[in-house]
Amino acid sequence: TQLLEQSPQFLSIQEGENLTVYCNSSSVFSSLQWYRQEPGEGPVLLVTVVTGGEVKKLKRLTFQFGDARKDSSLHITAAQPGDTGLYLCAGPHSGNTPLVFGKGTRLSVIA
Amino acid sequence: DSGVTQTPKHLITATGQRVTLRCSPRSGDLSVYWYQQSLDQGLQFLIQYYNGEERAKGNILERFSAQQFPDLHSELNLSSLELGDSALYFCASSATGTENYGYTFGSGTRLTVV
Repeated sequence: TQLLEQSPQFLSIQEGENLTVYCNSSSVFSSLQWYRQEPGEGPVLLVTVVTGGEVKKLKRLTFQFGDARKDSSLHITAAQPGDTGLYLCAGPHSGNTPLVFGKGTRLSVIA
Repeated sequence: DSGVTQTPKHLITATGQRVTLRCSPRSGDLSVYWYQQSLDQGLQFLIQYYNGEERAKGNILERFSAQQFPDLHSELNLSSLELGDSALYFCASSATGTENYGYTFGSGTRLTVV
């Protein structure tokens, strides 16, 4: 059983379109993090959300943490080919335990 | 360059063999984590070391072992290799082991067992 479920698994869109990807759990997380991974590289941290209902913006990326701290979403506005990659959400399962990761959403933005 | 160095980048070996993967954490980071990434399972936590001591253990097989040395670099030893051990192995580091602040990952070692 996957603790963090990400959807969709794959997403292919045209440049300029908007998109939202989701990270859901039945468990409460003290925080959730989003990473982007490109082929041949390790994941790179994009953002950490800590407070229920929190919204953080990083240029064209908007991250939201659910009020109950069981889910998070990532919205990309006007996607660009440079946004292509594997988007992973992660969080500590309980207390200060190492991060558990979702399986990711593989995004492809076509020019 | 993330500051986390992993070697080698690629490794091809035969079943039954033993290999050692090496990781140097980002300067100043005391915690090292090892993860295995496969297409069907995603990123799976293997083991964590903090300042030389084992802190947490995940789904690490008995054929696998790790250690962190006084200079804080870490090695992951994989023995009696099987075809199913083929995967990407990532090392990550963090300053204090406080998970809320995120990890810095290396570029990984791609292991192929033939």
